[in-house]
Amino acid sequence: AQKITQTQPGMFVQEKEAVTLDCTYDTSDPSYGLFWYKQPSSGEMIFLIYQGSYDQQNATEGRYSLNFQKARKSANLVISASQLGDSAMYFCATDGGGGNKLTFGTGTQLKVEL
Amino acid sequence: SAVISQKPSRDICQRGTSLTIQCQVDSQVTMMFWYRQQPGQSLTLIATANQGSEATYESGFVIDKFPISRPNLTFSTLTVSNMSPEDSSIYLCSVDVYGGSVTEAFFGQGTRLTVV
Repeated sequence: AQKITQTQPGMFVQEKEAVTLDCTYDTSDPSYGLFWYKQPSSGEMIFLIYQGSYDQQNATEGRYSLNFQKARKSANLVISASQLGDSAMYFCATDGGGGNKLTFGTGTQLKVEL
Repeated sequence: SAVISQKPSRDICQRGTSLTIQCQVDSQVTMMFWYRQQPGQSLTLIATANQGSEATYESGFVIDKFPISRPNLTFSTLTVSNMSPEDSSIYLCSVDVYGGSVTEAFFGQGTRLTVV
């Protein structure tokens, strides 16, 4: 079974600053993927970034990067140059082996302030 | 990538009635997933829908309450039966798409259900 832990229920960041959203995971599968999603108040789930367990380099996607520390079982999301439109709920998830159902964390509510 | 159209986007229903949610994908996919997100909560998987076979339900979810159809590789429906206010949630369908070494799991826009 897989488990995702997000310990920050809420975060505040100033516009244009960088912010790190924490995520730790627990899985017994040797091969797994880690995902981050953004959920604005509209409710849709927007895919942000993916990291495979065997990927040697940290994933990056525009202003999003994933700080993957396998030994610590952490997959923190870093958002650089925060924008007001980044205010949303952010979920970390794992598929525990690829091509499978996702297990989600409880989410972090990010608020970007002027 | 995949484009997923989910409808209705929202509905208000009377308790005791049923609602069927549709999910259409613009490409053929093997598995489709249905999730529930209760107010202020994270997403929980209801079931996995494979074409040509019965859906696989997660613990706590049963077919009588959440029947699922998967008639082809691009379409699925989830029915919420005999609704009660506790069923008020966002329901989302999802598919996996593999593009080279990158996996992306896409979601529909969600159906925001309120049961009164």
